[in-house]
Amino acid sequence: DTGVSQDPRHKITKRGQNVTFRCDPISEHNRLYWYRQTLGQGPEFLTYFQNEAQLEKSRLLSDRFSAERPKGSFSTLEIQRTEQGDSAMYLCASSLGGTSGRAIKNIQYFGAGTRLSVL
Amino acid sequence: LAKTTQPISMDSYEGQEVNITCSHNNIATNDYITWYQQFPSQGPRFIIQGYKTKVTNEVASLFIPADRKSSTLSLPRVSLSDTAVYYCLVGVVFQKLVFGTGTRLLVSP
Repeated sequence: DTGVSQDPRHKITKRGQNVTFRCDPISEHNRLYWYRQTLGQGPEFLTYFQNEAQLEKSRLLSDRFSAERPKGSFSTLEIQRTEQGDSAMYLCASSLGGTSGRAIKNIQYFGAGTRLSVL
Repeated sequence: LAKTTQPISMDSYEGQEVNITCSHNNIATNDYITWYQQFPSQGPRFIIQGYKTKVTNEVASLFIPADRKSSTLSLPRVSLSDTAVYYCLVGVVFQKLVFGTGTRLLVSP
């Protein structure tokens, strides 16, 4: 088990630039989640995929945000025209999810996150 | 999704047992109770999950009374490395997780 991997760990960008983050989930996990966390707060849900299908998006995910999981494996989260308010830790999680089966299978395992700073 | 209430912070000393209680009065029949631990600049780490009664693993115990309106995470003999934020979450486990602000545990020598 190599765990959930996120790249890069840190990203500094100027306002107005586009950024892209990558998440590699635990192999065989069919669900992949993106969360955002700001200082002093718990993570907030952004979106999730089951295989390659994006099943839910939060209202936090404005039109400047787009997430993909083209082959049902790794995922990318792109932010266009970044704003200072986008500065946060972006977390990815994966789970061996489903609508049935033991709950223990559906635990979400998180990566270390990508910390974005928009100047 | 059931709302949870837990203490903002707790202090302890090395070697003591720490109990963090979470209230979830509106828990639904299908909801599970899950606890995560988070260190600074890291993603949350799963600690334990339960539905009712008591669950124990190698790092913690989870006590859930019969009415399931609260739960208590018990950390035996804490060490300095247990200093972290602990989140109590309630929901249907294969859906999105809804985090509160968590409990900041500070373990001192």
